[in-house]
Amino acid sequence: RKEVEQDPGPFNVPEGATVAFNCTYSNSASQSFFWYRQDCRKEPKLLMSVYSSGNEDGRFTAQLNRASQYISLLIRDSKLSDSATYLCVVNGQAGTALIFGKGTTLSVSS
Amino acid sequence: DTGVSQDPRHKITKRGQNVTFRCDPISEHNRLYWYRQTLGQGPEFLTYFQNEAQLEKSRLLSDRFSAERPKGSFSTLEIQRTEQGDSAMYLCASSLPSGGRGVANYYEQYFGPGTRLTVT
Repeated sequence: RKEVEQDPGPFNVPEGATVAFNCTYSNSASQSFFWYRQDCRKEPKLLMSVYSSGNEDGRFTAQLNRASQYISLLIRDSKLSDSATYLCVVNGQAGTALIFGKGTTLSVSS
Repeated sequence: DTGVSQDPRHKITKRGQNVTFRCDPISEHNRLYWYRQTLGQGPEFLTYFQNEAQLEKSRLLSDRFSAERPKGSFSTLEIQRTEQGDSAMYLCASSLPSGGRGVANYYEQYFGPGTRLTVT
């Protein structure tokens, strides 16, 4: 079983749609959780950290369920510029190696 | 630009040659990480430093790979006797010495643009 699993997609949605990505992780001792965004042939960029209480940043909402070892990202009112690969990331021990999922590809069309 | 920088951005080399990549982290970050990413995969951890000390190495880091951070600032990653399987994007990241955004245990890592290696 992979340490971090994501549905690879692709997710093809129209502008304005709401889309949700899910992710599961295998190490119950994981301490910190993130979503990164990666554009084609570019470096991953931190989108948001994911806290136990859930957190929101504009159109983006992240949730963490430690009991189910499940992380989600919700994007509301999708924009063309949201088209990218979204990487679910887990940190087994804070400040050490990040463990990445393969990524979920989102394509937003007009 | 005060972000993480990497040099070179692209490197084409012949099998069997040695290559060296450089990473300059964000200036106040004391942790520096190396990752490798191949097509269709997420980045995979290679090694990381806290200041000049190399604290962890992945099993992916074979004997042909060596990383240094001699003065606790920039780092180099050397690959000896390159193989075609070494073709990948090599990413460097850095993080603050304590949790980001004031939250404990969240060492948010910021990535450089990467060095794309092609071994022919």
